[in-house]
Amino acid sequence: DIQMTQSPSTLSASVGDRVTITCRASQTIDIYLAWYQLKPGKAPKLLIYRASALESGVPSRFSGSGSGTEFTLTISSLQPDDFATYSCQQYNISPITFGQGTRLEIK
Amino acid sequence: QVQLQESGPGLMKPSQTLSLTCIVSGGSTRSSAYNWGWFRQHPGKGLEWIGHIYYSGSTYYSPSLESRVTVSLDTSKNQFSLKLSSVTAADSAVYYCARTHRGGGLLPFDSWGRGTLVTVSS
Repeated sequence: DIQMTQSPSTLSASVGDRVTITCRASQTIDIYLAWYQLKPGKAPKLLIYRASALESGVPSRFSGSGSGTEFTLTISSLQPDDFATYSCQQYNISPITFGQGTRLEIK
Repeated sequence: QVQLQESGPGLMKPSQTLSLTCIVSGGSTRSSAYNWGWFRQHPGKGLEWIGHIYYSGSTYYSPSLESRVTVSLDTSKNQFSLKLSSVTAADSAVYYCARTHRGGGLLPFDSWGRGTLVTVSS
């Protein structure tokens, strides 16, 4: 199975900050990488797919980059609603696998 | 806009078979454009893929669960289902159903249910 490793596990930031989360794959996954926002009791929300494509309806302050084994999710200016857990997912090679999640908390 | 809602037993005993249903509204499971999947999340852990089913009926399962899992599609009721046999406490988790992006090839899951908590306890 492809291991997906996210860093950091927890990130403390303030409204207006620019933050970056990294996801590393244990082998190449081309660009088949998605980012999700997770909140308790809510449906997971797809933010980015194909490493850098912004899902319809997602604010442009979210962006993704990378290919192969290294990927990043950047939020350019944090808003109060952005404090959540973020998870990367590879869907290139079965089984589909996820990172362990990055919890973004208010500083 | 499509909406998905999981329904299930909540509390189960070890060795029973878990049956979950995902009710789809605002979209059709008959469409050849989408595929349908199941995921779960253990407390404090990352998401885990369980399996998914293509509109054609082809199924794909996680190797770690394959011997116990069945995913099926019921287009007459516009829903799809998960069955997980011989459950143990390790199967206690929040279970999610989801739908892929429209299209073919390798696709992310863009529509999800809110999840349903399943607890396995004697």
